[in-house]
Amino acid sequence: AQSVAQPEDQVNVAEGNPLTVKCTYSVSGNPYLFWYVQYPNRGLQFLLKYITGDNLVKGSYGFEAEFNKSQTSFHLKKPSALVSDSALYFCAVRDPLKAGSYQLTFGKGTKLSVIP
Amino acid sequence: EAQVTQNPRYLITVTGKKLTVTCSQNMNHEYMSWYRQDPGLGLRQIYYSMNVEVTDKGDVPEGYKVSRKEKRNFPLILESPSPNQTSLYFCASSSRSSGNTIYFGEGSWLTVV
Repeated sequence: AQSVAQPEDQVNVAEGNPLTVKCTYSVSGNPYLFWYVQYPNRGLQFLLKYITGDNLVKGSYGFEAEFNKSQTSFHLKKPSALVSDSALYFCAVRDPLKAGSYQLTFGKGTKLSVIP
Repeated sequence: EAQVTQNPRYLITVTGKKLTVTCSQNMNHEYMSWYRQDPGLGLRQIYYSMNVEVTDKGDVPEGYKVSRKEKRNFPLILESPSPNQTSLYFCASSSRSSGNTIYFGEGSWLTVV
């Protein structure tokens, strides 16, 4: 069964500092990996994805993530945090070989707080 | 504008009173699904549909029904809601043409008292 772990419930970072939100995954095949962001009282917004190719993927709002197959990780990063980045972040994995393979398995979420 | 639209966005109802949460997408996606979000549990899939008249259970289907009579619509039905179904619900859609990205609606806050 596929699974996702986000080891930190909350991450605090000062504005202007780099941020990292961690994600590790477990899947039988080659994973499709996603990051979504949820602002208060809003839906889920797609940030970026890794399907194949370059291990470093760039997404919306200056975020990027690095796929590391040996460590089964897909950490989200941003060089300089903004207060407006404060939100709940979800990592998700999809096994394209699995029946009904559009199903995403989500981590429990990491709350990012950027301190002015 | 490409979007997934859910209604209602907010609902308070009583135990046992049947309700339907509608979901519609305008992207001609084959795949649609429903998730619920609960604190500390992330999002869990309730039901999904690979195409019209094709539906299947996700990870937490108990107490829910769905139907897919048209490609654009995928309503979630709670025949007899109970307080443990109080949650934030998301509808989602995707297709190969969307590059495997799954798009989510704005969410429906449901409270069962």
